[in-house]
Amino acid sequence: DVKVTQSSRYLVKRTGEKVFLECVQDMDHENMFWYRQDPGLGLRLIYFSYDVKMKEKGDIPEGYSVSREKKERFSLILESASTNQTSMYLCASRAGGSGGDTQYFGPGTRLTVL
Amino acid sequence: QQQVKQSPQSLIVQKGGISIINCAYENTAFDYFPWYQQFPGKGPALLIAIRPDVSEKKEGRFTISFNKSAKQFSLHIMDSQPGDSATYFCAASKRTPLVFGKGTRLSVIA
Repeated sequence: DVKVTQSSRYLVKRTGEKVFLECVQDMDHENMFWYRQDPGLGLRLIYFSYDVKMKEKGDIPEGYSVSREKKERFSLILESASTNQTSMYLCASRAGGSGGDTQYFGPGTRLTVL
Repeated sequence: QQQVKQSPQSLIVQKGGISIINCAYENTAFDYFPWYQQFPGKGPALLIAIRPDVSEKKEGRFTISFNKSAKQFSLHIMDSQPGDSATYFCAASKRTPLVFGKGTRLSVIA
């Protein structure tokens, strides 16, 4: 079974802090994604990566950056956290090429910025 | 062009009834249409998916109906059970990140 793990289930930070959210997948997937989930807005794509050191902006990249130094790990960085970044953050991975279309999600990190 | 519109936002169904959730898309290049199920405190998990070369796909009590000309697809849950109570998301893609609908919160009451 594909496993996507996220470093924290719950996180509380203060405005202006730098925040790191870590995601690790164990299926050698090329593609990794970061979404945020807010009530009534569904899942919105922040950033994604097709390969190590590659990144692409999603629909709402402002205020975020990402890092992918190793294939299995994709980090989301909030350079200076703000209260409007309080949300559920979901990481996902997907195989590349003809490996399938299924995106596998982690359990999520609920981030609260005070 | 990238939107996927999902309705209703919430749904209450009696145990044993049929739950129906609808989605519409705009981008005719999309060729993969999955439905995800999410329980509270968990990440979304793939429930069932369809490609546009078929009009229907059934897996147990779950069926996707697909209408290519109308650019619509729907999820039917037959004999709905309290354990089906969850949030359901439709999505679409063409070897790109999935574009999600806004979700439907389903409550199945006994």
